[in-house]
Amino acid sequence: DIQMTQSPSSLSASVGDRVTITCRASQGIRNDLGWYQQKPGKAPKRLISAASSLQSGVPSRFSGSGSGTEFTLTISSLQPEDSATYYCLQNNSFPRTFGPGTKVDIK
Amino acid sequence: EVQLVESGGGLVQPGGSLRLSCAASGFTFSTSWMSWVRQAPGKGLEWVASIKQDGGDKYYVDSVRGRFTVSRDNARNSLYLQMNSLRAEDTAVYYCARYGTMDIWGQGTLVTVSS
Repeated sequence: DIQMTQSPSSLSASVGDRVTITCRASQGIRNDLGWYQQKPGKAPKRLISAASSLQSGVPSRFSGSGSGTEFTLTISSLQPEDSATYYCLQNNSFPRTFGPGTKVDIK
Repeated sequence: EVQLVESGGGLVQPGGSLRLSCAASGFTFSTSWMSWVRQAPGKGLEWVASIKQDGGDKYYVDSVRGRFTVSRDNARNSLYLQMNSLRAEDTAVYYCARYGTMDIWGQGTLVTVSS
């Protein structure tokens, strides 16, 4: 099974800061990775697919990069509404596996 | 509008059974892989199962294999999760999601396994 790790597990940043979250896969997964945002009590929302493709309607301050085993999600200018938990998901093979999540708070 | 609506959650005793449903609309259900994902209270996301368009291929996380069965009815645009021999650790919000890549999610249905 492919294991996914994320770092950091949590972070606190100010409005306007640049924020980077890293996701690592235990083996190469090409670019078969998605990033999700989840707010309390809500279903996850996919932000990025195929490692770097921004979903329609997602603000352009979100971007993704990487391939193989290391991936990053970047928020270029953090906004108050970005307070949430972010997860990566590998969809290269079954069983599908999520990263443990990164909780982003606003200072 | 693409929409997924789960139902069937509730309180069940350990060892009991429950069947979840997911009604799909706004897209061609019969040509779409579908998935179930769960989230225990205060925990992260866990993929549970996925099923191919025609129901011929099914995949499960190890912890539910042999106890849960994913199925679908393409004529009714519906996805199901039959859960048997339920355990306390199956307590979670269960989401259905479109595709193996999980681009669209339902709102979730809560399953509580407790005596």
